[in-house]
Amino acid sequence: SQQGEEDPQALSIQEGENATMNCSYKTSINNLQWYRQNSGRGLVHLILIRSNEREKHSGRLRVTLDTSKKSSSLLITASRAADTASYFCATAQDDSWGKLQFGAGTQVVVTP
Amino acid sequence: DAGITQSPRHKVTETGTPVTLRCHQTENHRYMYWYRQDPGHGLRLIHYSYGVKDTDKGEVSDGYSVSRSKTEDFLLTLESATSSQTSVYFCAISGVPGGELFFGEGSRLTVL
Repeated sequence: SQQGEEDPQALSIQEGENATMNCSYKTSINNLQWYRQNSGRGLVHLILIRSNEREKHSGRLRVTLDTSKKSSSLLITASRAADTASYFCATAQDDSWGKLQFGAGTQVVVTP
Repeated sequence: DAGITQSPRHKVTETGTPVTLRCHQTENHRYMYWYRQDPGHGLRLIHYSYGVKDTDKGEVSDGYSVSRSKTEDFLLTLESATSSQTSVYFCAISGVPGGELFFGEGSRLTVL
C-alpha cells in the first residue's frame, strides 16, 4: 500500500499563479521529500524536509510538514509554463528509512 | 546530472520470456533501487540494494529478482515475464539511506 497520497490528483493554473499540492502519509517518518517528473523523464529531487522541521524553502518552492497531522504541502509560487510536470511526495519511514515510498502524484499544468 | 544509465530504454517481449534490465552508475553510491511506475500507482519499490551482494525486497517483489555483483551495476530480472509486468521501470541511487534519490531515465517494458 502507498504511504503517501497527494491531493489534488490534477491541477491546472495560469502562469503567475501559485500552485499548492498536499501529501498525506500514514506512519511515522524520518523525512519527507518532493520530486518532479517531466513527461517521459526520470524523477528529479526538489526538496527534503526532516521530521523535526516545519518549513523549508528553495527558490520558488515552499514545503511545510505537520507531523501531528501526518501531512505536507508543496507550494510553487509564481508558476511558469516550465513547471508543468507531475509532482510526487516520498517518505522515508522511521522503521525502514532506507526505502522511500512514493505517492501517486499530482499532475500540474501551467498554461501561458 | 548523476551518472545513471538504464538499458535497454525500450523493450517489447512476449509472455513467458526472461528479461533483464540493467542499471549502471558512475557515482559510487552504495544504495540502489528498482521502482516500477504505473498510472494511478505512482512509483512502487521492487527491490533495493545496500551494498554489493546485499539486496532486499520491496513492496512488489513477486516475479522479480535482482543481483548486484559490482557497486556500479544493479540488474533486475523477470524470470518469466507476464503482461502485468508491463510498466516503466526506474533505477535510482542514493549515497545515504533515506536520502535524496537520483533517477535514471527509465526503461519502458511491454509484455505481449
